[in-house]
Amino acid sequence: GAVVSQHPSRVICKSGTSVKIECRSLDFQATTMFWYRQFPKQSLMLMATSNEGSKATYEQGVEKDKFLINHASLTLSTLTVTSAHPEDSSFYICSASAQGLEYEQYFGPGTRLTVT
Amino acid sequence: QKEVEQNSGPLSVPEGAIASLNCTYSDRVSQSFFWYRQYSGKSPELIMSIYSNGDKEDGRFTAQLNKASQYVSLLIRDSQPSDSATYLCAVRLRDDKIIFGKGTRLHILP
Repeated sequence: GAVVSQHPSRVICKSGTSVKIECRSLDFQATTMFWYRQFPKQSLMLMATSNEGSKATYEQGVEKDKFLINHASLTLSTLTVTSAHPEDSSFYICSASAQGLEYEQYFGPGTRLTVT
Repeated sequence: QKEVEQNSGPLSVPEGAIASLNCTYSDRVSQSFFWYRQYSGKSPELIMSIYSNGDKEDGRFTAQLNKASQYVSLLIRDSQPSDSATYLCAVRLRDDKIIFGKGTRLHILP
């Protein structure tokens, strides 16, 4: 299957600071990338969908000014959590899909964010 | 509101037996269906995709799709303790967004 990487895998930051998470498709060009958040023992929650070169589409209830998404190329999308607070502590997972892969979604390994 | 429904479990199955996981979906026009496995603290891993009615087999896994009943299932034969995980059913909508069920926790008893 296709490979998606995320960096960093784990990050601890202080309240009020910003954190950037990178998502890369390593062996395919991702036409669409997705960002999810998952709290302990809960299901995946889709935060936003991004297509290369266009603005991300955010799900209802997700603040676009707090969770900045940039999809600058067909292999890279970034999520920046701005002015992080302890309640933003979660497991953030990206996924990517491409037409050549019949739009199957492949997930990155996730980033565990802890805000102190 | 498009939905994917799964029994949360836990589903306990003896080692070596067949585990049967079920999923229903509400969007009648959906054409693509997926099963993911997620171990605790890890991200989901794609196991199977299925697009047409009937069965699709891959090793110990068989996905079954019945579009008329809006029903998808996953069978795991010869269950192993390493199969213990949460299994997520996913459905692609017309706008290419994929929505996930809340997952079924499967526990294989040694």
